[in-house]
Amino acid sequence: GESVGLHLPTLSVQEGDNSIINCAYSNSASDYFIWYKQESGKGPQFIIDIRSNMDKRQGQRVTVLLNKTVKHLSLQIAATQPGDSAVYFCAENLLTGSWGKFQFGAGTQVVVTP
Amino acid sequence: DVKVTQSSRYLVKRTGEKVFLECVQDMDHENMFWYRQDPGLGLRLIYFSYDVKMKEKGDIPEGYSVSREKKERFSLILESASTNQTSMYLCASSLADYGYTFGSGTRLTVV
Repeated sequence: GESVGLHLPTLSVQEGDNSIINCAYSNSASDYFIWYKQESGKGPQFIIDIRSNMDKRQGQRVTVLLNKTVKHLSLQIAATQPGDSAVYFCAENLLTGSWGKFQFGAGTQVVVTP
Repeated sequence: DVKVTQSSRYLVKRTGEKVFLECVQDMDHENMFWYRQDPGLGLRLIYFSYDVKMKEKGDIPEGYSVSREKKERFSLILESASTNQTSMYLCASSLADYGYTFGSGTRLTVV
């Protein structure tokens, strides 16, 4: 989930298990959401997106769920692999009049253990 | 493959120096952004630009300025570097209504 204070929340997952990463977003008018993955020493990379007219979207091994009622976004990773170890960020965007400007969560550190 | 290139991966500068961080994208994106990333604080927007010669302040513009003379290039300038500007700096670009493509980041240390 979202971090408070100076430390990222950490999700420790055993290799092969499914991971669920949660995010509470802030703006009820946000209508476009993205999950990013950031590996150590690299810039964030796009994983999957979802628009507010959907509540679920699937990619390769990843699924994003959107619950607008409670302003909650989740990322599910199936059969987690060592290469999935990274920090995961959710981002929200108010498409209208925002010049494509996103607001990012603080991130969740995912650690995959053998 | 689309690319956002930041000119330096690592920089060490002295307090009071003027520092230029360069970012170039090859995707003809109209929007470009500069963020800084600090442990536990996530990504914070410094400045963004939605067109050549246009710029808008983000959430933490103090101590920074930007320049966008050409569509593909967006420069971040630290007018007089201070130790509290030690951080990871991330450049991103996007088309309207789509997500960002990020550069690899520049880790700046001010001593």
